[in-house]
Amino acid sequence: TQLLEQSPQFLSIQEGENLTVYCNSSSVFSSLQWYRQEPGEGPVLLVTVVTGGEVKKLKRLTFQFGDARKDSSLHITAAQTGDTGLYLCAGPYNTDKLIFGTGTRLQVFP
Amino acid sequence: ETGVTQSPTHLIKTRGQQVTLRCSSQSGHNTVSWYQQALGQGPQFIFQYYREEENGRGNFPPRFSGLQFPNYSSELNVNALELDDSALYLCASSSGQSRYGYTFGSGTRLTVV
Repeated sequence: TQLLEQSPQFLSIQEGENLTVYCNSSSVFSSLQWYRQEPGEGPVLLVTVVTGGEVKKLKRLTFQFGDARKDSSLHITAAQTGDTGLYLCAGPYNTDKLIFGTGTRLQVFP
Repeated sequence: ETGVTQSPTHLIKTRGQQVTLRCSSQSGHNTVSWYQQALGQGPQFIFQYYREEENGRGNFPPRFSGLQFPNYSSELNVNALELDDSALYLCASSSGQSRYGYTFGSGTRLTVV
């Protein structure tokens, strides 16, 4: 059983389009993080959201933590080819061990 | 400050063999976590080490074991390798609470044939 489910699993879009990636759980998390991973590399932390309802922006990326702290979303405006990668949500579980979601693979075409 | 370094980067082993993977944590970080990642999927938590003691374990059999050294570097050992152990093994270091994020190495790609 996967505690953090991401959707969609795959996303293939053209440059300039907008997209949203979702991370859902039936459990409450004290915080959620988003990472991006490129081929041959480890995940790199993008943001941490802590407060229910919190919205954080990182240039063209907007992250939101659900009011009940069970879900989060990542919205990318005007996607670029450099946004291509595997997007992972993650949260602390069972005495603060970080667990990861199922992942969303994004491919942005020129 | 240096990041997390893993070695080797790639490894091919035969089923039934044993393997040791190494990780040097980021300067100032005292906690190391190991993850197994299948292609295109999210990393699965194997275990975590804090001050040389195992500090939590995921759903992996005992043939997955580890060590942490006084300088906070770490090893992951896998005995009796199986074909399904083929994956990217990631090491992550942190300074304490997970809410501050983990710093990952580039991983070791293990192929079992």
